[in-house]
Amino acid sequence: KNQVEQSPQSLIILEGKNCTLQCNYTVSPFSNLRWYKQDTGRGPVSLTIMTFSENTKSNGRYTATLDADTKQSSLHITASQLSDSASYICVVSASGTYKYIFGTGTRLKVLA
Amino acid sequence: ETGVTQSPTHLIKTRGQQVTLRCSSQSGHNTVSWYQQALGQGPQFIFQYYREEENGRGNFPPRFSGLQFPNYSSELNVNALELDDSALYLCASLTRPGTGGNEQYFGPGTRLTVT
Repeated sequence: KNQVEQSPQSLIILEGKNCTLQCNYTVSPFSNLRWYKQDTGRGPVSLTIMTFSENTKSNGRYTATLDADTKQSSLHITASQLSDSASYICVVSASGTYKYIFGTGTRLKVLA
Repeated sequence: ETGVTQSPTHLIKTRGQQVTLRCSSQSGHNTVSWYQQALGQGPQFIFQYYREEENGRGNFPPRFSGLQFPNYSSELNVNALELDDSALYLCASLTRPGTGGNEQYFGPGTRLTVT
């Protein structure tokens, strides 16, 4: 069964600190993996997309890694800001389908 | 902003009623997907429309139906509303169907509350 699991479920950090969010998936055949940021009550916004051959991708203070062998990805946030408070969702798509499989997200809260 | 708009922003309905949600896709995008996102959960795929035809469907009952118009805007209709239908409904537009390297651009969502 195609699944995407994220950890931790929630996280609280102080402004300026770094954090790492995890994503494990069992989607096959793998096509690509995306990380989205979703502010409360808003639609998700894409941060990064990685295909099988890519193992790291950066977008400003956000850096995503992918290990296709172990089927794991991480999203590292550097020097966190209050505006980083949001849910971060890992989404994996399978080749040849229209389906995107969403994780349940990690809820990040950055405190001043 | 993604250029994808949804209306209304919020909606309150009574169990058993019917509801229509609307989505205008980004210019140049001919594919629209609809998702249901319950509180604290990730979005669940409802269905996708490509060139006015349903292109794929998730695990949702037939009372969830849709339409896509020649200008590629779309509607989601839900009949016989149940309390569990309360959720944020998201639409996403794409340049083409399939998931390859194809980016989805999400609208802000419609918050539906069923009482």
